[in-house]
Formats: sequence, C-alpha cells, structure tokens
Amino acid sequence: QVQLVQSGSELKKPGASVKVSCKASGYTFTNYAMNWVRQAPGQGLEWMGWINTNTGTPTYAQGFTGRFVFSLDTSVSTTYLQISSLKAEDTAVYYCARAQGSVNFFDPWGQGTLVTVSS
Amino acid sequence: EIVLTQSPGTLSLSPGEGATLSCRASQSVSSSYLAWYRQRPGQPPRLLIFHASIRAAGIPDRFSGSESGTDFTLTISRLEPEDFAVYYCQQYGSSPYTFGQGTNLEIK
Repeated sequence: QVQLVQSGSELKKPGASVKVSCKASGYTFTNYAMNWVRQAPGQGLEWMGWINTNTGTPTYAQGFTGRFVFSLDTSVSTTYLQISSLKAEDTAVYYCARAQGSVNFFDPWGQGTLVTVSS
Repeated sequence: EIVLTQSPGTLSLSPGEGATLSCRASQSVSSSYLAWYRQRPGQPPRLLIFHASIRAAGIPDRFSGSESGTDFTLTISRLEPEDFAVYYCQQYGSSPYTFGQGTNLEIK
C-alpha cells in the first residue's frame, strides 16, 4: 500500500539545524510531487511548499524561503526537509503529504515529525 | 492568496445526529479544487473529499461535499464516535494552497 514514513522526533537548540526525512513506498516515487505542511502546537495546518520529485525543483510558500530547503534522493524514494538557524517558533509537527498527479490535494500523509526547539 | 474561513469554530453534537460544516473562500476556487480532511488527536490529517464533492477511497457515504459559488459544505450524516475530530478545508486551485482554520466537532 502507499505509505509515507517520516523520521523521528527531534529536540534542537536555537541556531541549530534539523533534517527531516520522508520515505515513500508502494508507488513510483517520481510520478507524484511531495508537499510539506507545518502544524504548530494546538494550531491549524500551514502549507510550506512542494518539490517536483521528477526534476528536484522545489517551490516554497511565502514565509518558508531562506531557512527551509526541500531535497530528495530518488535512489531511496525519500524526500527531505532541512531547517537551518532554528528558532523557538519553528517548534511544530512537520508532515510530508503526497500530491495527486497534477493537482495538489494530499493523500496520503506521513505520520508527522515533531521538531522541538528549546535551549 | 485565497483565504478560507471555516464555520463554526466548534460544533457540539451527539452521536447519531447530522453535522454541517462550512468553508467560505475569499475568491473563486478554480475548477472546484477544494478538499476536506479530518484530523483526530495525535494523528495526521486524512483526506475525506476532493474536487469539492468526490469521496476519497474508503470514506463512507455518510460524508458528502457540496459547493455553491465560493461556499463549500461538508455534511456528515449519522455521526459516529470516530467522527468527532477537527475538520479542515483546503483549496488547491491556486498557489499558495491554503487551509481553513478548522472546525472542531466535539461530542455534546
């Protein structure tokens, strides 16, 4: 079955970097774009952007440029989210979510990765 | 950017009752590109409806979606205990692909 499995929770200090992985299985990885969505504690969903898994080209939503980088390794069907210069306000659950062909509604979602930024 | 406003913020109902959740877009959503998701505590969101009215695989027919102009509605008939959760709408007609702020469907 189609599945996205993300890496485990992270605890980081302010100013550090973190890299979250999202491994896909059950389908042809390069046929579907991958999106990233952030959910701060007790808050709603915020779309961060997406990466074209065929070309590796990322697109970032406003507010997620500069410190946020999407990348991929097609040999292991994995997408990555790297966040640098971490701030307390980056504390959130980060989800990867597969697009559907040429349209960006999301199914399935990864289980989420909690990134906590605290000194 | 298309802003989606969901109402009500919280809906208190009993099992067996019907629920009506609303999502209003600040401008036209291209091609009816609107989805609904359910998120239970501690879990990722789950796709329920896409293209405004098409149920996702495995979603029971108690769930239905409709649209009228820039107003979108998710209707859940005969609420079951597992339906009590937070519901989000999302438009994917134009980037950025925005979400509504959510409706918390709670047990009365």
